Amino acid sequence: AQKITQTQPGMFVQEKEAVTLDCTYDTSDQSYGLFWYKQPSSGEMIFLIYQGSYDEQNATEGRYSLNFQKARKSANLVISASQLGDSAMYFCAMRGGSGNTGKLIFGQGTTLQVKP
Amino acid sequence: DTGVSQNPRHKITKRGQNVTFRCDPISEHNRLYWYRQTLGQGPEFLTYFQNEAQLEKSRLLSDRFSAERPKGSFSTLEIQRTEQGDSAMYLCASSPAGGYGNTIYFGEGSWLTVV
Repeated sequence: AQKITQTQPGMFVQEKEAVTLDCTYDTSDQSYGLFWYKQPSSGEMIFLIYQGSYDEQNATEGRYSLNFQKARKSANLVISASQLGDSAMYFCAMRGGSGNTGKLIFGQGTTLQVKP
Repeated sequence: DTGVSQNPRHKITKRGQNVTFRCDPISEHNRLYWYRQTLGQGPEFLTYFQNEAQLEKSRLLSDRFSAERPKGSFSTLEIQRTEQGDSAMYLCASSPAGGYGNTIYFGEGSWLTVV
């Protein structure tokens, strides 16, 4: 079975500073994808960044980067130069590659608050 | 280019009533998913369609829940005889068919409150 664990229920960061949100995962699949989504209070799940299990380089998308450590089964999200608009809930999710439906399995989420 | 659209966005209903939510996926996406999310929790998978075929249902989807995707385009999720425990946000998502690298895009969700 696949599992995602996010151990930080809440995080604070000062505006313009960097923050790391932790994510560990468990799977028996050899091929899988790891995703991060942002959910503001409005409710929409916004896709941020993707890392494939065979990708050798860490993914980056603008201010977002994913620190992928395959041996440790971790996929931490790094947000650089935090902005007030980054305040939201963040979810780590995994999608297996073993011919299944491709559904996402989510962690419990981390609430990030950016302080001015 | 429109994203995933869900309606209604909010629904308040009395216990025992039936409710139906609609989802319009991104037009070229043939995979469609329904998730349920309660406050402070991550989304939980409910069911999955590939085109019009419902290929997987979670154990969370009791017999009071039914989902359809009649022509492989929009989908509906109906909850019969609602209970207070059904209060949650119902998220619809879509993606192209293919490997695990294809991104799943979500709608804004439909909030259900059962009173």
